[in-house]
Amino acid sequence: AQKVTQAQTEISVVEKEDVTLDCVYETRDTTYYLFWYKQPPSGELVFLIRRNSFDEQNEISGRYSWNFQKSTSSFNFTITASQVVDSAVYFCALSRLSNTGKLIFGQGTTLQVKP
Amino acid sequence: DSGVTQTPKHLITATGQRVTLRCSPRSGDLSVYWYQQSLDQGLQFLIHYYNGEERAKGNILERFSAQQFPDLHSELNLSSLELGDSALYFCASSVEGRREDTQYFGPGTRLTVL
Repeated sequence: AQKVTQAQTEISVVEKEDVTLDCVYETRDTTYYLFWYKQPPSGELVFLIRRNSFDEQNEISGRYSWNFQKSTSSFNFTITASQVVDSAVYFCALSRLSNTGKLIFGQGTTLQVKP
Repeated sequence: DSGVTQTPKHLITATGQRVTLRCSPRSGDLSVYWYQQSLDQGLQFLIHYYNGEERAKGNILERFSAQQFPDLHSELNLSSLELGDSALYFCASSVEGRREDTQYFGPGTRLTVL
């Protein structure tokens, strides 16, 4: 079965703390893609990153970084020096079928960054 | 702004009614996806259209149907509405519709069934 698990339902941190959001996925496919999306309080879903199953290099974009470990089927997301504007629900998603981009989403992690 | 537009933003209706949600993809995107976000089910894939043809179907109820028109906009029709259909409905678009394509989401339509 294909599944994405975000075990952390809610995380609360104080501004400037680092925070890691966990994502564990299940698939038997050798080729697949993983995504992270952000849903701020306004409600829209904002794309953050895409990673394919053959690229295990970590990626950094400003205060955001992603750690992909195929051996543990994890694709974790770290925010360094968190800010109040980072408060949102973050979703991890999996795409595996070659002829469709159907996304399987995790349940989401609500991040609250307090000033 | 993702470039994907959805109308209306909010919709309030009664049980048993029928509604139509509309989506316009980003310029150049051939694929449109519909997702439902509810408190109990989370974000669920409903259906995928590529250049007018149905490409993949998720757990979409028989009371729901969708289509993609020649100008590539899409409509999601929900009929015989029930209280449990209250949710945020997202449309997303991508260039081709392959697993590696990034999907860009519209702002969503919040449906409330009373």
